[in-house]
Amino acid sequence: EVQLVESGGGLVKPGGSLRLSCAASGFTFSSYSMNWVRQAPGKGLEWVSSISSSSSYIYYADSVKGRFTISRDNAKKSLYLKMNSLRAEDTAVYYCARDVERPDFDYWGQGTLVTVSS
Amino acid sequence: QSVLTQPPSVSAAPGQKVTISCSGSSSNIGNNYVSWYQQLPGTAPKLLIYDNNKRPSGIPDRFSGSKSGTSATLGITGLQTGDEADYYCGTWDSSLSVNWVFGGGTKLTVL
Repeated sequence: EVQLVESGGGLVKPGGSLRLSCAASGFTFSSYSMNWVRQAPGKGLEWVSSISSSSSYIYYADSVKGRFTISRDNAKKSLYLKMNSLRAEDTAVYYCARDVERPDFDYWGQGTLVTVSS
Repeated sequence: QSVLTQPPSVSAAPGQKVTISCSGSSSNIGNNYVSWYQQLPGTAPKLLIYDNNKRPSGIPDRFSGSKSGTSATLGITGLQTGDEADYYCGTWDSSLSVNWVFGGGTKLTVL
């Protein structure tokens, strides 16, 4: 069974940093591109970043470019998102999601809440 | 403001049929497959339809998808109270600033 479990969310002050993790199991993690998608409270889905299976290709949404860094450790079957210079508008539930080289995400984690507030 | 446009809400009675539209442009829906997601209250999104009209294993055939030009439609027949959820369309976008785009979501109420 495919499982994606996020962790690392919490309350952080504006300008602060946070590192999210996503632990994968039930599939060959090193064969898949992975993504972070966020959802602000009461709002819709917003794609944040993606990383290819070997980390060769990395992409970011304009809203986080230069502040967030996506990475992965295939040996540990884990995906990460380092978030710096956090703003109030970054407050959201952050989901990790698997993609299969199609324009869709076939599995999602349960999400981790990041709250940016003073 | 989402790149893909969905109606904020739709409603129908149990047993009835409902459709949810998703409108985009040539840089997204017009040149890519569309997917649909169901998000039940308090849970993560779940893939419902991929490649415009294909259902992942376990998704009942009450759910269907179609695409024409720069628009896509999700159809749900035999509505059940358990179908009350938010539904999102999504696809790739070939513009420079974003790789993936979603609709703003549609809240389905089963009256």
